[in-house]
Amino acid sequence: AQSVTQPDIHITVSEGASLELRCNYSYGATPYLFWYVQSPGQGLQLLLKYFSGDTLVQGIKGFEAEFKRSQSSFNLRKPSVHWSDAAEYFCAVAGGKLTFGTGTQLKVEL
Amino acid sequence: GAGVSQSPSNKVTEKGKDVELRCDPISGHTALYWYRQRLGQGLEFLIYFQGNSAPDKSGLPSDRFSAERTGESVSTLTIQRTQQEDSAVYLCASSLDRAVTEAFFGQGTRLTVV
Repeated sequence: AQSVTQPDIHITVSEGASLELRCNYSYGATPYLFWYVQSPGQGLQLLLKYFSGDTLVQGIKGFEAEFKRSQSSFNLRKPSVHWSDAAEYFCAVAGGKLTFGTGTQLKVEL
Repeated sequence: GAGVSQSPSNKVTEKGKDVELRCDPISGHTALYWYRQRLGQGLEFLIYFQGNSAPDKSGLPSDRFSAERTGESVSTLTIQRTQQEDSAVYLCASSLDRAVTEAFFGQGTRLTVV
């Protein structure tokens, strides 16, 4: 069965600092991987996706993620966090159905 | 339509009543998903449709929950004899095909059972 683990429930970073959110997945074949962001009172918005090819994918708002098959990971990164990045971030894996992790709540200190 | 539309946006119901939640996916999207998000929690998979059939309904919490989809378009999630633990935001998403290209989410229906 497919599953996603986001080990960090809450993360706090200072504005301007770098960010890495962890995601580990379990899936039997080559996965389709996604990162979504949910801002307070907002719907879910796709940040980026990995289907195949280059293992480093670029997304919107300056985010990127790297697929590492050997580690079953798809960590999300941003070099310099902005206060507006405070939100909840969800990693997801797709294989028929779309399965989400439990999310990481990001707080940005000014 | 331009996006995934869910109705109603908010629903308050009395315990024991039945409720119907509606999802209008993006036109042409064959895959449709329902999720439940309790306050402060992640997204809990309920069911997904490919066309009008439901290959995976493993997430439906009990037989009080059912869903249908007609005409590869609108889907309805029905909760019978609602309980307070059913209070949550119910999210619908659609994507172009089963292989799951980008899934587009609606704004959700906030269900409160009193």
